[in-house]
Amino acid sequence: KQEVTQIPAALSVPEGENLVLNCSFTDSAIYNLQWFRQDPGKGLTSLLLIQSSQREQTSGRLNASLDKSSGRSTLYIAASQPGDSATYLCAGTNNAGNMLTFGGGTRLMVKP
Amino acid sequence: EAQVTQNPRYLITVTGKKLTVTCSQNMNHEYMSWYRQDPGLGLRQIYYSMNVEVTDKGDVPEGYKVSRKEKRNFPLILESPSPNQTSLYFCASSLAPGTGPDTQYFGPGTRLTVL
Repeated sequence: KQEVTQIPAALSVPEGENLVLNCSFTDSAIYNLQWFRQDPGKGLTSLLLIQSSQREQTSGRLNASLDKSSGRSTLYIAASQPGDSATYLCAGTNNAGNMLTFGGGTRLMVKP
Repeated sequence: EAQVTQNPRYLITVTGKKLTVTCSQNMNHEYMSWYRQDPGLGLRQIYYSMNVEVTDKGDVPEGYKVSRKEKRNFPLILESPSPNQTSLYFCASSLAPGTGPDTQYFGPGTRLTVL
């Protein structure tokens, strides 16, 4: 059974800092790996999706990488801003593409 | 506007009183799914549907039912709610795997309290 772990559970950084969020998964047979953002009291917003055949995806200040062999994905946020404060979740989709397993999330606070 | 809608957004009910949480999407997505989010346990998949009339269990299906009679709607039914079903529920949708971008779109959530 797939298990997804995110470390750290919480992170506080000063504005402008570059940071890396980590996601590890136990079963490398994944269809894709997705990163989401969740604001308090809100739903999830998809940030980046990496297919199993890809190594990384970029969107603006965000870059996500995927290393299936080591069971790891990272989300890199450049030049962090207070508006980046939120919980970031990663989720692995199984090979059939029909079930997602979420990590516990990293709660990020960017201080002005 | 492309979106997933859920109703109600907030619900307080009592043990044993049947309830339905509706979910609707306007993106013509084949795939829809329900999740619950609990502190310390994260998001867990309840049920999913690959297309109309096709549904299957996720990781935590006990105590829940779903139906997919139309492509756009995927209601979650609690026949006899219990306090351990108090949670934040999310509906999501996407294209069918392999047919296009797999990005999942989430609804705003339904906060359910069962007394």
